[in-house]
Amino acid sequence: DVKVTQSSRYLVKRTGEKVFLECVQDMDHENMFWYRQDPGLGLRLIYFSYDVKMKEKGDIPEGYSVSREKKERFSLILESASTNQTSMYLCASSATWTGESYTFGSGTRLTVV
Amino acid sequence: RKEVEQDPGPFNVPEGATVAFNCTYSNSASQSFFWYRQDCRKEPKLLMSVYSSGNEDGRFTAQLNRASQYISLLIRDSKLSDSATYLCVVTLTGFQKLVFGTGTRLLVSP
Repeated sequence: DVKVTQSSRYLVKRTGEKVFLECVQDMDHENMFWYRQDPGLGLRLIYFSYDVKMKEKGDIPEGYSVSREKKERFSLILESASTNQTSMYLCASSATWTGESYTFGSGTRLTVV
Repeated sequence: RKEVEQDPGPFNVPEGATVAFNCTYSNSASQSFFWYRQDCRKEPKLLMSVYSSGNEDGRFTAQLNRASQYISLLIRDSKLSDSATYLCVVTLTGFQKLVFGTGTRLLVSP
């Protein structure tokens, strides 16, 4: 089975801190994604990457950046954390552009205080 | 208007009941359709794809109506373990992302 691992299950950070969320997949997938999930708003795409060093903005990229230096690793960076970035962050990977092979990590619940 | 809309529920049904969820999408260029399942505090997992001709997987049946732009999921003989949130998901031709509905919550009681 494809495994997508997110480095932290729960994270508490202070306003203004730089935050790194790490995601690693073990199936040589080309595509990786970062979503955030909030009650009533569902999952929203922040950034995605279809190749090493390539990145594309999703629907809500403001306040975030990403890094993909290796195929298996996709990092989400909150440059200066704010309380409105408190959320569940989900990483996903896929080998194709269809949803069938999207596999999600177990999520990181980030609280910014 | 949201790209993908679902009734948030919750749908409360007894074990053994049949329950159906609908989902509507706004973009007629939507190309691929899926149902994902998400358990409380867990990540979404693919339940099934939705094909134009309709498809079935055990107790689950998915249907697509392109003319009316809606997708349905039917669950027969509900089990306690079916309690979860069901997410309707679409993709657009040429776009490399999934668009998620906010989910429909199902509670199956003994």
